Amino acid sequence: GENVEQHPSTLSVQEGDSAVIKCTYSDSASNYFPWYKQELGKRPQLIIDIRSNVGEKKDQRIAVTLNKTAKHFSLHITETQPEDSAVYFCAASITGGADGLTFGKGTHLIIQP
Amino acid sequence: EAGVAQSPRYKIIEKRQSVAFWCNPISGHATLYWYQQILGQGPKLLIQFQNNGVVDDSQLPKDRFSAERLKGVDSTLKIQPAKLEDSAVYLCASSLVSGQPQHFGDGTRLSIL
Repeated sequence: GENVEQHPSTLSVQEGDSAVIKCTYSDSASNYFPWYKQELGKRPQLIIDIRSNVGEKKDQRIAVTLNKTAKHFSLHITETQPEDSAVYFCAASITGGADGLTFGKGTHLIIQP
Repeated sequence: EAGVAQSPRYKIIEKRQSVAFWCNPISGHATLYWYQQILGQGPKLLIQFQNNGVVDDSQLPKDRFSAERLKGVDSTLKIQPAKLEDSAVYLCASSLVSGQPQHFGDGTRLSIL
Protein backbone atom coordinates (compact mmCIF):
# COMPACT_ATOMS: atom_id res chain seq x y z
CA GLY A 1 0.00 0.00 0.00
CA GLU A 2 0.84 3.69 -0.09
CA ASN A 3 3.40 5.12 2.36
CA VAL A 4 3.75 8.89 2.95
CA GLU A 5 6.81 10.30 4.69
CA GLN A 6 6.71 13.87 6.02
CA HIS A 7 9.54 16.14 7.21
CA PRO A 8 10.32 17.88 9.45
CA SER A 9 8.28 16.75 12.44
CA THR A 10 8.69 20.19 14.04
CA LEU A 11 9.44 23.50 12.32
CA SER A 12 9.99 26.78 14.11
CA VAL A 13 10.18 30.00 12.06
CA GLN A 14 10.16 33.70 12.82
CA GLU A 15 6.95 35.56 12.07
CA GLY A 16 7.11 36.92 8.55
CA ASP A 17 9.55 34.25 7.32
CA SER A 18 8.66 31.38 4.98
CA ALA A 19 8.02 27.77 5.97
CA VAL A 20 8.45 24.68 3.80
CA ILE A 21 7.17 21.19 4.63
CA LYS A 22 8.13 18.23 2.45
CA CYS A 23 6.48 14.89 1.75
CA THR A 24 7.35 11.85 -0.32
CA TYR A 25 5.01 9.07 -1.41
CA SER A 26 5.68 5.52 -2.53
CA ASP A 27 2.85 4.59 -4.93
CA SER A 28 3.39 6.08 -8.39
CA ALA A 29 -0.36 5.62 -9.07
CA SER A 30 -1.26 8.26 -6.48
CA ASN A 31 -2.73 11.30 -8.20
CA TYR A 32 -4.32 13.49 -5.51
CA PHE A 33 -2.34 15.31 -2.80
CA PRO A 34 -4.18 17.44 -0.21
CA TRP A 35 -2.75 19.34 2.73
CA TYR A 36 -4.64 19.69 6.01
CA LYS A 37 -4.15 22.08 8.93
CA GLN A 38 -5.15 20.84 12.37
CA GLU A 39 -5.24 23.07 15.42
CA LEU A 40 -5.18 21.47 18.86
CA GLY A 41 -8.41 19.61 19.56
CA LYS A 42 -9.99 20.62 16.26
CA ARG A 43 -10.86 18.98 12.96
CA PRO A 44 -8.35 18.71 10.09
CA GLN A 45 -9.11 21.54 7.65
CA LEU A 46 -8.26 21.31 3.97
CA ILE A 47 -6.03 24.24 3.05
CA ILE A 48 -4.88 23.36 -0.46
CA ASP A 49 -4.70 20.35 -2.76
CA ILE A 50 -3.04 19.43 -6.03
CA ARG A 51 -3.67 16.79 -8.66
CA SER A 52 -1.01 14.98 -10.64
CA ASN A 53 -1.71 16.83 -13.88
CA VAL A 54 -0.50 20.08 -12.28
CA GLY A 55 3.01 20.92 -11.07
CA GLU A 56 2.20 23.88 -8.85
CA LYS A 57 -0.82 25.55 -7.26
CA LYS A 58 -1.01 28.77 -5.28
CA ASP A 59 -3.64 30.31 -3.01
CA GLN A 60 -2.59 33.65 -1.50
CA ARG A 61 0.27 32.87 0.94
CA ILE A 62 0.11 29.11 0.44
CA ALA A 63 1.53 27.13 -2.46
CA VAL A 64 2.06 23.46 -3.19
CA THR A 65 4.52 21.95 -5.65
CA LEU A 66 4.52 18.41 -7.03
CA ASN A 67 7.36 16.45 -8.63
CA LYS A 68 5.83 13.21 -9.96
CA THR A 69 9.17 11.83 -11.12
CA ALA A 70 10.67 12.11 -7.66
CA LYS A 71 7.33 11.31 -5.96
CA HIS A 72 7.74 14.39 -3.85
CA PHE A 73 5.44 17.30 -2.96
CA SER A 74 5.90 20.33 -0.73
CA LEU A 75 3.86 22.98 1.07
CA HIS A 76 5.17 26.54 1.06
CA ILE A 77 3.80 29.21 3.40
CA THR A 78 5.08 32.75 2.90
CA GLU A 79 4.88 35.73 5.26
CA THR A 80 3.99 33.48 8.18
CA GLN A 81 1.63 34.79 10.84
CA PRO A 82 0.90 33.63 14.42
CA GLU A 83 -2.38 32.03 13.27
CA ASP A 84 -0.39 29.72 11.00
CA SER A 85 0.80 27.85 14.11
CA ALA A 86 -0.73 24.34 13.92
CA VAL A 87 0.02 20.77 12.86
CA TYR A 88 0.08 20.31 9.09
CA PHE A 89 -0.55 16.95 7.42
CA CYS A 90 0.15 15.93 3.86
CA ALA A 91 -1.78 13.07 2.30
CA ALA A 92 -2.00 11.07 -0.91
CA SER A 93 -4.62 8.98 -2.64
CA ILE A 94 -5.63 7.39 -5.92
CA THR A 95 -8.90 8.93 -7.08
CA GLY A 96 -11.74 6.82 -8.41
CA GLY A 97 -13.22 4.09 -6.26
CA ALA A 98 -11.26 3.42 -3.08
CA ASP A 99 -9.68 6.83 -2.48
CA GLY A 100 -9.13 6.94 1.26
CA LEU A 101 -6.25 9.23 2.16
CA THR A 102 -2.87 8.02 3.42
CA PHE A 103 -1.50 10.69 5.73
CA GLY A 104 2.00 11.66 6.77
CA LYS A 105 2.83 11.89 10.47
CA GLY A 106 2.43 15.65 10.58
CA THR A 107 4.59 18.75 11.05
CA HIS A 108 4.15 20.95 14.09
CA LEU A 109 4.69 24.49 12.78
CA ILE A 110 5.57 27.06 15.42
CA ILE A 111 5.59 30.75 14.50
CA GLN A 112 7.88 32.71 16.80
CA PRO A 113 6.80 36.35 17.40
CA GLU B 1 -23.63 24.78 4.48
CA ALA B 2 -23.55 22.66 7.61
CA GLY B 3 -20.39 20.63 8.11
CA VAL B 4 -19.91 17.00 9.05
CA ALA B 5 -21.61 16.33 12.38
CA GLN B 6 -20.30 13.76 14.85
CA SER B 7 -21.41 12.63 18.29
CA PRO B 8 -20.53 12.20 21.02
CA ARG B 9 -17.52 14.54 21.26
CA TYR B 10 -15.99 12.57 24.11
CA LYS B 11 -16.42 9.04 25.42
CA ILE B 12 -14.73 7.25 28.29
CA ILE B 13 -15.23 3.50 28.71
CA GLU B 14 -13.46 0.57 30.32
CA LYS B 15 -11.68 -2.05 28.27
CA ARG B 16 -13.87 -4.87 26.99
CA GLN B 17 -16.91 -2.57 26.91
CA SER B 18 -18.63 -1.56 23.67
CA VAL B 19 -19.01 1.91 22.19
CA ALA B 20 -20.68 3.49 19.15
CA PHE B 21 -20.04 6.69 17.27
CA TRP B 22 -22.40 8.52 14.94
CA CYS B 23 -21.69 10.64 11.87
CA ASN B 24 -23.93 12.76 9.66
CA PRO B 25 -22.10 13.88 6.50
CA ILE B 26 -22.54 17.13 4.60
CA SER B 27 -25.91 17.07 2.84
CA GLY B 28 -25.69 15.46 -0.57
CA HIS B 29 -22.28 13.88 -0.02
CA ALA B 30 -22.31 10.34 -1.35
CA THR B 31 -18.95 9.23 0.02
CA LEU B 32 -18.27 8.82 3.73
CA TYR B 33 -15.04 7.82 5.49
CA TRP B 34 -14.09 6.83 9.03
CA TYR B 35 -10.53 7.51 10.18
CA GLN B 36 -8.71 6.72 13.42
CA GLN B 37 -6.23 9.33 14.68
CA ILE B 38 -3.95 8.18 17.48
CA LEU B 39 -2.30 10.98 19.46
CA GLY B 40 0.68 12.43 17.61
CA GLN B 41 -0.09 10.66 14.32
CA GLY B 42 -1.92 11.34 11.09
CA PRO B 43 -5.41 9.94 10.55
CA LYS B 44 -5.61 6.33 9.34
CA LEU B 45 -8.47 5.16 7.12
CA LEU B 46 -10.74 2.52 8.64
CA ILE B 47 -13.57 2.28 6.12
CA GLN B 48 -15.03 4.06 3.08
CA PHE B 49 -18.67 4.01 1.99
CA GLN B 50 -20.16 5.05 -1.33
CA ASN B 51 -23.85 5.63 -0.61
CA ASN B 52 -24.79 2.55 1.45
CA GLY B 53 -22.10 0.25 0.05
CA VAL B 54 -18.63 -0.47 1.41
CA VAL B 55 -15.85 0.55 -0.99
CA ASP B 56 -12.82 -0.21 1.20
CA ASP B 57 -12.62 -1.82 4.63
CA SER B 58 -9.19 -3.40 4.24
CA GLN B 59 -7.80 -1.60 7.32
CA LEU B 60 -10.81 -2.16 9.58
CA PRO B 61 -10.07 -4.64 12.43
CA LYS B 62 -13.17 -6.66 11.71
CA ASP B 63 -12.88 -8.85 14.79
CA ARG B 64 -13.90 -5.86 16.93
CA PHE B 65 -14.88 -2.96 14.66
CA SER B 66 -18.04 -2.67 12.56
CA ALA B 67 -19.64 0.14 10.61
CA GLU B 68 -22.81 0.69 8.70
CA ARG B 69 -24.50 3.30 6.54
CA LEU B 70 -27.83 1.62 5.98
CA LYS B 71 -29.73 4.41 4.22
CA GLY B 72 -26.73 5.99 2.53
CA VAL B 73 -26.76 9.09 4.73
CA ASP B 74 -25.61 8.90 8.36
CA SER B 75 -23.29 6.22 9.63
CA THR B 76 -22.33 4.48 12.86
CA LEU B 77 -19.00 2.96 13.85
CA LYS B 78 -18.94 0.41 16.66
CA ILE B 79 -16.17 -1.14 18.71
CA GLN B 80 -16.86 -4.32 20.67
CA PRO B 81 -14.97 -5.19 22.79
CA ALA B 82 -12.71 -2.16 23.22
CA LYS B 83 -8.99 -2.53 23.89
CA LEU B 84 -6.60 -0.03 25.44
CA GLU B 85 -4.96 0.60 22.06
CA ASP B 86 -8.30 1.85 20.66
CA SER B 87 -7.84 5.12 22.55
CA ALA B 88 -7.87 7.69 19.76
CA VAL B 89 -9.93 10.34 18.00
CA TYR B 90 -12.38 8.84 15.52
CA LEU B 91 -12.90 11.20 12.61
CA CYS B 92 -15.64 11.07 10.03
CA ALA B 93 -15.17 12.73 6.64
CA SER B 94 -17.35 13.10 3.58
CA SER B 95 -16.96 14.09 -0.04
CA LEU B 96 -19.47 14.90 -2.75
CA VAL B 97 -18.32 11.89 -4.72
CA SER B 98 -15.19 9.75 -4.71
CA GLY B 99 -12.23 11.78 -5.90
CA GLN B 100 -13.45 15.10 -4.55
CA PRO B 101 -12.00 16.88 -1.47
CA GLN B 102 -12.76 15.30 1.88
CA HIS B 103 -14.20 17.42 4.69
CA PHE B 104 -13.79 16.29 8.29
CA GLY B 105 -15.97 16.44 11.37
CA ASP B 106 -14.72 17.41 14.83
CA GLY B 107 -14.28 13.77 15.80
CA THR B 108 -15.05 11.68 18.87
CA ARG B 109 -12.26 11.41 21.41
CA LEU B 110 -12.33 7.90 22.92
CA SER B 111 -10.48 7.06 26.12
CA ILE B 112 -10.21 3.46 27.29
CA LEU B 113 -9.53 2.87 30.99
